[in-house]
Amino acid sequence: SQQGEEDPQALSIQEGENATMNCSYKTSINNLQWYRQNSGRGLVHLILIRSNEREKHSGRLRVTLDTSKKSSSLLITASRAADTASYFCATDDRGSTLGRLYFGRGTQLTVWP
Amino acid sequence: DTAVSQTPKYLVTQMGNDKSIKCEQNLGHDTMYWYKQDSKKFLKIMFSYNNKELIINETVPNRFSPKSPDKAHLNLHINSLELGDSAVYFCASSLKGLGRWNTGELFFGEGSRLTVL
Repeated sequence: SQQGEEDPQALSIQEGENATMNCSYKTSINNLQWYRQNSGRGLVHLILIRSNEREKHSGRLRVTLDTSKKSSSLLITASRAADTASYFCATDDRGSTLGRLYFGRGTQLTVWP
Repeated sequence: DTAVSQTPKYLVTQMGNDKSIKCEQNLGHDTMYWYKQDSKKFLKIMFSYNNKELIINETVPNRFSPKSPDKAHLNLHINSLELGDSAVYFCASSLKGLGRWNTGELFFGEGSRLTVL
């Protein structure tokens, strides 16, 4: 299946450091999205990058996409304790006419003050 | 002004019972979804409805029956609950369906944590 996989499963850093999370997927995509989930809450959309884009920025977030390697990375710069959450990548499937978003198991980011 | 709201937030019940989870979105979106998140945080789509029409049924046991009375509501009824049904169920919506030429973000509810004893 298309299911994305995030790496690492868990990441623990100090405030002010940068956090990098990676995502790999299997089939061709139209776009890739990153979501954030605080403990006990729903997922919140962070950023979407299209298959013809290589890099995108939004505030302290930087997303890259390498379709040849079927991988993406999410960089959070100057992290804060409030960034502590699980981060998920989600991909669609270019070969499907139905709409599905495939999520991985996420990266649990802990930022220590 | 909650965009996607689902109730109840917590549900504890015995095996064999029947339960329902309700979802409503006030975003004017055409498409709604049910996702299941297991204890390892794996999030998997169960159903998708576009304007009240079932679009995706992701090989979910027929004990699970979604119902969409209108495009703003998508409810999930579960019959004969089993231990393995324990999970967090998320409702979500998107402006349009995520078809081949559509790209769009999902708006999630806060989740309904179902515990089957």
